[in-house]
Formats: sequence, C-alpha cells, structure tokens
Amino acid sequence: NAGVMQNPRHLVRRRGQEARLRCSPMKGHSHVYWYRQLPEEGLKFMVYLQKENIIDESGMPKERFSAEFPKEGPSILRIQQVVRGDSAAYFCASSPTSGFSYNEQFFGPGTRLTVL
Amino acid sequence: AQSVTQLGSHVSVSEGALVLLRCNYSSSVPPYLFWYVQYPNQGLQLLLKYTTGATLVKGINGFEAEFKKSETSFHLTKPSAHMSDAAEYFCAVINNAGNMLTFGGGTRLMVKP
Repeated sequence: NAGVMQNPRHLVRRRGQEARLRCSPMKGHSHVYWYRQLPEEGLKFMVYLQKENIIDESGMPKERFSAEFPKEGPSILRIQQVVRGDSAAYFCASSPTSGFSYNEQFFGPGTRLTVL
Repeated sequence: AQSVTQLGSHVSVSEGALVLLRCNYSSSVPPYLFWYVQYPNQGLQLLLKYTTGATLVKGINGFEAEFKKSETSFHLTKPSAHMSDAAEYFCAVINNAGNMLTFGGGTRLMVKP
C-alpha cells in the first residue's frame, strides 16, 4: 500500500511565478492536510480538506495561497506570485475517516520550494 | 489555544547513552499527544502517541514517552542511543476537533560514536 505521495519533491520558482504542489493521499483516505515548515522551525498547519470541501483553512495566508481536493485526482496547494518568504518545505498528510475522536495523520515526504 | 514547547533545539548524546527529549504542552482539554521523527529530506514518521489509558507509551525503535498531567509534559526517552537515531524529533498535540496538529519547534538529535 503506497504511502502519501507528493510531487514534485523539489520545486524552484522565480519571484512572481506560480507554484503548484500536488498530494495524493493514501488509498482509502478521504482527508488531506497541508503543513508548512519554514527553515529551522516546526510544522505549521495550513489547511484541512475533504473531497471537494475545505473544512478548516485557518492557517492559510489570506492572499496568494489556495488549496483544493477535487472529487478525482490529487489535492493541490497553489501559491500565486511567489515571494522569497514562501521558500519552505510543504508537507501533506492524509487520514482515513475513523470512529475515534481524532484522525491519525500519515505524512508524505514533502515538497521543498525554493524561490529565487 | 494549544501550544507545544520543546526545550533544546539541539541535543547531542554518545552512542549507548540515554536519550531524553523534552516536551511540554498547553491545552485546555485532555490532550492527545504525539511524537514524530523526521530523517533528512524525508517526511514525518509517527513514533508514538498518547490518547487515553496508560500514561507510559511505547513506540517504535525502542522509544517511549510518559504523559504527566501534573507537569504538562510528554518527554521522549530511549535507554540507549544508536547512530541511526540521529534525526529531528517533533512533539505535537491535536486540537479538539481531532484534525489539526500543533507542533513544537523540533529537537535535532545528534549521536556521537
């Protein structure tokens, strides 16, 4: 059973370009989460999605960032007009729907975005 | 709001020595707590978790952690460090809705031969 897949693993963009990061959850998982790890920091929650719905986007910057999880295909984190401060590792996690009070999250290998 | 503090951004131990990584949390409700490990250029792997029940939790690779409510702590230990334990370790707490992890700043563990 393949784990959470993210691509590309490394992405280089120039200031002002767009970055599109993809995440394919584990088979059978319908919940996707995006986290950002700035250099020398821990991971910070960005957004939580279920198929075709954004459930919690409290950690998303108000401008330039958007996320989707369509009915078919991977989840996409999109960053428009990137700036140097967007350089970070972006991690996706997925979880199944569980009967417990929390969803155990399984993490992908991350996409390392470098903005020149 | 929940928060996690990891004391010591870098910890260095000799191979075979005790590993102790500290984690303190702040939560208004009984917390669910996690330790993750991140090897260079890889994603996070769950080491262990505390939800309910026994306060001493055993995880993979010989690690364990003890939940101490009175101290709001969830320190990670391993009796004998191995070179392969060198990595970054993150403590995390999950929110009430069970869908958002709040991470500490991480502790980079170095193991000397």
